[in-house]
Amino acid sequence: DTGVSQNPRHKITKRGQNVTFRCDPISEHNRLYWYRQTLGQGPEFLTYFQNEAQLEKSRLLSDRFSAERPKGSFSTLEIQRTEQGDSAMYLCASSPSGTGAYEQFFGPGTRLTVL
Amino acid sequence: DQQVKQNSPSLSVQEGRISILNCDYTNSMFDYFLWYKKYPAEGPTFLISISSIKDKNEDGRFTVFLNKSAKHLSLHIVPSQPGDSAVYFCAARRGWAGSYQLTFGKGTKLSVIP
Repeated sequence: DTGVSQNPRHKITKRGQNVTFRCDPISEHNRLYWYRQTLGQGPEFLTYFQNEAQLEKSRLLSDRFSAERPKGSFSTLEIQRTEQGDSAMYLCASSPSGTGAYEQFFGPGTRLTVL
Repeated sequence: DQQVKQNSPSLSVQEGRISILNCDYTNSMFDYFLWYKKYPAEGPTFLISISSIKDKNEDGRFTVFLNKSAKHLSLHIVPSQPGDSAVYFCAARRGWAGSYQLTFGKGTKLSVIP
């Protein structure tokens, strides 16, 4: 399977704990995006990487959130001191760069439940 | 402030008939529009897109129409099939602002009745 993969698929944690999610993009894609989706809403943009550089961040990405993409390959999203409001589906997407390459390809998501 | 709006939360259509899903936007900086389909427990799947310099794009059973003056786009599915039952999201990119992020609507749940 050469699509975007995300791990874990599900994560249940207690309030105050730290969690980390991983995203492996399509191998030839150098752009990587993180979105968050809550019930009844569309995906909301969190952050974007071009290779290893983090080029855009949403104001939704509070100080408790940090994303990295070392070596421009996989990416991790860490949430520190989780709160119940962090419960959501966290989606990763990737796309190639270049003219006309606007479509983003999504992974299956990581569902986070904070108790 | 919701910049991309899908005002119909749900739509039911008979198999074989046309499904029309609508989307309105407010930001003039949007230069590219996309439709995604989402099944439960899966990530969104890209369906079809349109540049702001065009007014129609067709791919098989799917056609997207863009009316820039009205800031409105629609997705037509003809003929509708039961496998099309899913949530459809409209998304837009602020390319004129040099941004790659997508702004999504809340989605429309399409049910195709056999």
